Amino acid sequence: ETGVTQTPRHLVMGMTNKKSLKCEQHLGHNAMYWYKQSAKKPLELMFVYSLEERVENNSVPSRFSPECPNSSHLFLHLHTLQPEDSALYLCASSQEAGGEQYFGPGTRLTVT
Amino acid sequence: GENVEQHPSTLSVQEGDSAVIKCTYSDSASNYFPWYKQELGKRPQLIIDIRSNVGEKKDQRIAVTLNKTAKHFSLHITETQPEDSAVYFCAANADNAGNMLTFGGGTRLMVKP
Repeated sequence: ETGVTQTPRHLVMGMTNKKSLKCEQHLGHNAMYWYKQSAKKPLELMFVYSLEERVENNSVPSRFSPECPNSSHLFLHLHTLQPEDSALYLCASSQEAGGEQYFGPGTRLTVT
Repeated sequence: GENVEQHPSTLSVQEGDSAVIKCTYSDSASNYFPWYKQELGKRPQLIIDIRSNVGEKKDQRIAVTLNKTAKHFSLHITETQPEDSAVYFCAANADNAGNMLTFGGGTRLMVKP
């Protein structure tokens, strides 16, 4: 499947590290999303970009910083994370904000 | 904002039986209700959706019903097969939140052969 790709697929980082997650969509969509999926809260919407502008920020801690340089790429910059941030981070895209979403395979993040 | 509740959280059925998963939502302006299936280790994928101008939609063994008055919608899977085993998520859009989807907590369906 090549519709929505994410890298890396797995990431282990210490609490003092800085890393970035990358998402790329090849579907010509205008909206992109970051979700956090953990056992406690299965699918939490973190950020939404529509036409490269952030339209949603669900009270996410500032240690998560999104970036959308163009409509095909979405990044999630991570710094000074906590162990409770360990989760699967899913990227998704849709033709327009709120429409049918196509998910990427996710990045399994472990914070040690 | 929108609040979506999903029940049950786990469901175990015998192969060939039917499975029903129910969701309720709070925002009466919601008009789009998708269902996603997530197999173990894989990404969520849309399996069926319904819009508020219809009450029921069917696709082979899968059907979704919507009751706008009561603000609930349900996923029905008939003649279940082991490959139906997965986590299923319902969602509803929220008109006052840029039309974003709010997901239910998920239902882990196990189909026993």
